[in-house]
Amino acid sequence: KNQVEQSPQSLIILEGKNCTLQCNYTVSPFSNLRWYKQDTGRGPVSLTIMTFSENTKSNGRYTATLDADTKQSSLHITASQLSDSASYICVVRSGGSQGNLIFGKGTKLSVKP
Amino acid sequence: NAGVTQTPKFQVLKTGQSMTLQCAQDMNHNSMYWYRQDPGMGLRLIYYSASEGTTDKGEVPNGYNVSRLNKREFSLRLESAAPSQTSVYFCASTEVPSSGANVLTFGAGSRLTVL
Repeated sequence: KNQVEQSPQSLIILEGKNCTLQCNYTVSPFSNLRWYKQDTGRGPVSLTIMTFSENTKSNGRYTATLDADTKQSSLHITASQLSDSASYICVVRSGGSQGNLIFGKGTKLSVKP
Repeated sequence: NAGVTQTPKFQVLKTGQSMTLQCAQDMNHNSMYWYRQDPGMGLRLIYYSASEGTTDKGEVPNGYNVSRLNKREFSLRLESAAPSQTSVYFCASTEVPSSGANVLTFGAGSRLTVL
């Protein structure tokens, strides 16, 4: 069964600190993986997309990694800011003609001053 | 640039009542989607429309109907609301049917409570 598991479920860090969020998937065949940020009361917004051949991709203070062999991805946030408080959702697209999107449950990050 | 606009933002219904959630996008996207988001669960696909004139069931279509009115608009209807349909509903759109690196653009969500 295609699944996307995220950890931790929630995380509290102090402003200025770094953190890493994890995403493990069992989706096959694999097409790509996306990280979304969802602010409270808003819809998800894409942070980055990674395909099979990409290992690392950065978007400002956000850096995503992908290990297609172990089917793991991480999202590293550097020098966190209060505005980083949000849920971060990992979404994996399966390959093939259907191309279904499988959503993780998200990691809720709280950045405290 | 509005992107994806959903109405209403909040709605309270009684069991058995009907209502329609409206969604419109101004990005000329071909594909549109309706998801529901419940606490502790990932977003789940209710229905989608790969292109104007077509609609297909997603993972959790029971109790819902959809209409792709034109390229811009995709509505979700609850004919007889049930408490299990209490959720936050998101409309999304993309250029082509979720292929390749295309990214979904989401609306702000519609919070529905069924008493």
